[in-house]
Amino acid sequence: TQLLEQSPQFLSIQEGENLTVYCNSSSVFSSLQWYRQEPGEGPVLLVTVVTGGEVKKLKRLTFQFGDARKDSSLHITAAQPGDTGLYLCAGGNWGKLQFGAGTQVVVTP
Amino acid sequence: NAGVTQTPKFQVLKTGQSMTLQCAQDMNHEYMSWYRQDPGMGLRLIHYSVGAGITDQGEVPNGYNVSRSTTEDFPLRLLSAAPSQTSVYFCASSYSRPRGGELFFGEGSRLTVL
Repeated sequence: TQLLEQSPQFLSIQEGENLTVYCNSSSVFSSLQWYRQEPGEGPVLLVTVVTGGEVKKLKRLTFQFGDARKDSSLHITAAQPGDTGLYLCAGGNWGKLQFGAGTQVVVTP
Repeated sequence: NAGVTQTPKFQVLKTGQSMTLQCAQDMNHEYMSWYRQDPGMGLRLIHYSVGAGITDQGEVPNGYNVSRSTTEDFPLRLLSAAPSQTSVYFCASSYSRPRGGELFFGEGSRLTVL
């Protein structure tokens, strides 16, 4: 059973458009992480959010942690083809970090 | 700095065969783990270790064994492979921190069981 539900499962957009990916859970997490994975590679950490209501920005990527620490979102502004990849949220005790199923994002020129 | 190294990258087994997936890290990380990734399922935790000599089960441990005799190495053993174990396997390591520790992943090992 997935504790972390990601939506949508797949997103295809044109370069320059904005997109938002959601990560929801019925459980409270002490922290949530977002990873990006490209084909044939392992996931790479983008950000960790630890405080309810926290907003973090990484260039064109904006990450938000819900006030109740049960959900998070990733917003990409003016997406570029280099943003293409599988976006995964992860939460739980660091010893048993659990991942959502991921959102496949495809940005076409 | 190699980071997390997994071998082999590709393997084909017949049902009932055994094999070991190797994982080594050179970052002196206390925490190491194995995940499997299947389409639509995300990454699922198989086993993890918080230090040499200490291992524990994750979400899907059945059919897999692990041991941690050194800080650097964390091999995953399949005792009797089954088609349901066809997957991509990732090893990951992290500093031992209470929360928010970054997981560093290897490039994955793609296993097919016929």
